[in-house]
Amino acid sequence: NAGVTQTPKFQVLKTGQSMTLQCAQDMNHNSMYWYRQDPGMGLRLIYYSASEGTTDKGEVPNGYNVSRLNKREFSLRLESAAPSQTSVYFCASSEEGQGGYTFGSGTRLTVV
Amino acid sequence: GQSLEQPSEVTAVEGAIVQINCTYQTSGFYGLSWYQQHDGGAPTFLSYNALDGLEETGRFSSFLSRSDSYGYLLLQELQMKDSASYFCAVRDRTGRRALTFGSGTRLQVQP
Repeated sequence: NAGVTQTPKFQVLKTGQSMTLQCAQDMNHNSMYWYRQDPGMGLRLIYYSASEGTTDKGEVPNGYNVSRLNKREFSLRLESAAPSQTSVYFCASSEEGQGGYTFGSGTRLTVV
Repeated sequence: GQSLEQPSEVTAVEGAIVQINCTYQTSGFYGLSWYQQHDGGAPTFLSYNALDGLEETGRFSSFLSRSDSYGYLLLQELQMKDSASYFCAVRDRTGRRALTFGSGTRLQVQP
């Protein structure tokens, strides 16, 4: 099925460990996004990529890095995980300038 | 920057109509989007309003008034499966070319 695929679905890290969250879309969308969602809250933008080869910081970029590997893939890296990064991470994609995003199923990350 | 306000919780009965309001503050407004999210699930796109007026998609309608910086999502003939969180989101013309989301409205549909 067409859509946005995120891996892994669940992850537990120890403080200070690093990891990369993977995201791929097969809808030929130009724009891709990483959001985090904390319990009972809305989604906050971490980083986005308006097109292949470009990335920009969002609202909460500290502690994260991203790579737009190609048009399909947009990864999010935590270099040194902290408990404050415990959250659900969603990747999304869209056509440039459109209000309708397609979200992946999310990665539930716990940092202990 | 942008800010959005929406009620935190709304309760309604099956078969009823419910309206979820959203007010926003932003500059160079592009449009207002609505998303549905069930517990443990991913947000799913419901509607997008770039122009004033009402957009209808089945049981769901969305309204926008740009002069009032206000919009709402209208859900008719409520069903139990409509119990979920609903988020409004805006995109503006300045800086970040990505959606900013409200904190969400949790809708509970009772039998």
